[in-house]
Amino acid sequence: DAGVTQSPTHLIKTRGQQVTLRCSPKSGHDTVSWYQQALGQGPQFIFQYYEEEERQRGNFPDRFSGHQFPNYSSELNVNALLLGDSALYLCASTRGYTEAFFGQGTRLTVV
Amino acid sequence: SQELEQSPQSLIVQEGKNLTINCTSSKTLYGLYWYKQKYGEGLIFLMMLQKGGEEKSHEKITAKLDEKKQQSSLHITASQPSHAGIYLCGADYSGGYQKVTFGTGTKLQVIP
Repeated sequence: DAGVTQSPTHLIKTRGQQVTLRCSPKSGHDTVSWYQQALGQGPQFIFQYYEEEERQRGNFPDRFSGHQFPNYSSELNVNALLLGDSALYLCASTRGYTEAFFGQGTRLTVV
Repeated sequence: SQELEQSPQSLIVQEGKNLTINCTSSKTLYGLYWYKQKYGEGLIFLMMLQKGGEEKSHEKITAKLDEKKQQSSLHITASQPSHAGIYLCGADYSGGYQKVTFGTGTKLQVIP
């Protein structure tokens, strides 16, 4: 049983560009959350998707958007990249009120 | 997050020693999670606590949630090099929807 898978593992982008990160949830999970983890910090909640809708959102600008597909996989899009967007982006999946399983993350570097 | 404070920020212990990491919330918790993270990698779930006074153990790791549900501790007995990593506590303040507010983490090094 595959756990949460994220792609790509590493990415380098230039300021002002746009990026799309992908996440496949653990089998049987229907809810996907995205987190941003800056170096030396704990993960910060970006948003959560359930039934293809954004259910909750953290304190992130509209440059951060997402999507969930009918197979429960999800994408995180970031427009107009800033140097401060450099971070590890983590995807977590759940079903109901159970512990969240995390992927290995995508390391985004903005230069 | 200011809502959730972890201490200490870092810890260096000799193999075989016991250690405790604390997590304090500024408001009542619905649930409290403990995760472990290797540098630059994903989070590994350790334990979830929901009831005041609850205590759970897994191998040599024990976590407790106090009666007021505002503080949790993670205790490792007879530490091993495999315990090294970053320990993160995460708070569920609303229940049911899995939005987790994380502390800044405790970096643990175990010296053989």
